[in-house]
Amino acid sequence: ELAQSPSVAVSPGQTATIICSGDKLGDQSVSWYQQRAGHSPLLVMYQHNRRPSGVPERFSGSRSGNTATLTISGTQPLDEADYFCQAWDSINAVVFGGGTKLTVL
Amino acid sequence: QVQLVESGGGVGQPGTSLTISCAASGFTFSTYGMHWVRQSPGKGLEWVALIWSDGSKKKEGKSVEGRFTISRDNSKNTLFLQMNSLRGEDTAVYYCARDRAAAPGANGHSYGLDVWGQGTTVTVSS
Repeated sequence: ELAQSPSVAVSPGQTATIICSGDKLGDQSVSWYQQRAGHSPLLVMYQHNRRPSGVPERFSGSRSGNTATLTISGTQPLDEADYFCQAWDSINAVVFGGGTKLTVL
Repeated sequence: QVQLVESGGGVGQPGTSLTISCAASGFTFSTYGMHWVRQSPGKGLEWVALIWSDGSKKKEGKSVEGRFTISRDNSKNTLFLQMNSLRGEDTAVYYCARDRAAAPGANGHSYGLDVWGQGTTVTVSS
């Protein structure tokens, strides 16, 4: 299982930090998805810290031990969305975190 | 333009069957692993099933194992999900998604799902 805090709130221009933790995350490649209200998920990070083309540079990722972090620097109102982490589990195959709702105040 | 378009969703009674489809375009479908992921109203993402690019390996999630079957027709660039013995808890938006790898999980890792469809809604209700 992957655990995420339910919500994070920041003001525009601030840095948003979204955390994902799991017992075996230290051995796994972590991906992150952004889902704006009413839209399909969008891959914003893979292999911990690789950004797909088209994803703004203000998105960055890291992993330390069994915790993965998605950081959004200079958060903009359009970054308001749900964010899900995802990894591979030997039993359940693809696993998603429960999601973190990012509010940009 | 890389695109996935789901279809076939609808309303079904508990215990019935439904098959949904996903039409791929803009990329070489036969070289990518594919997934179905669902999202119940107001809830998070739940992985449903995956299939390797050549169809040689399939896996379903525990909540649908034995009831749902994933398949693909590479000659028609189409992914399918056959859903049997539907339950109320299967009510969700079903997304198809492309894996960045041809054989998802082959080395014990996932490298991300990089293309998603717009989803098709399945409602199970009596």
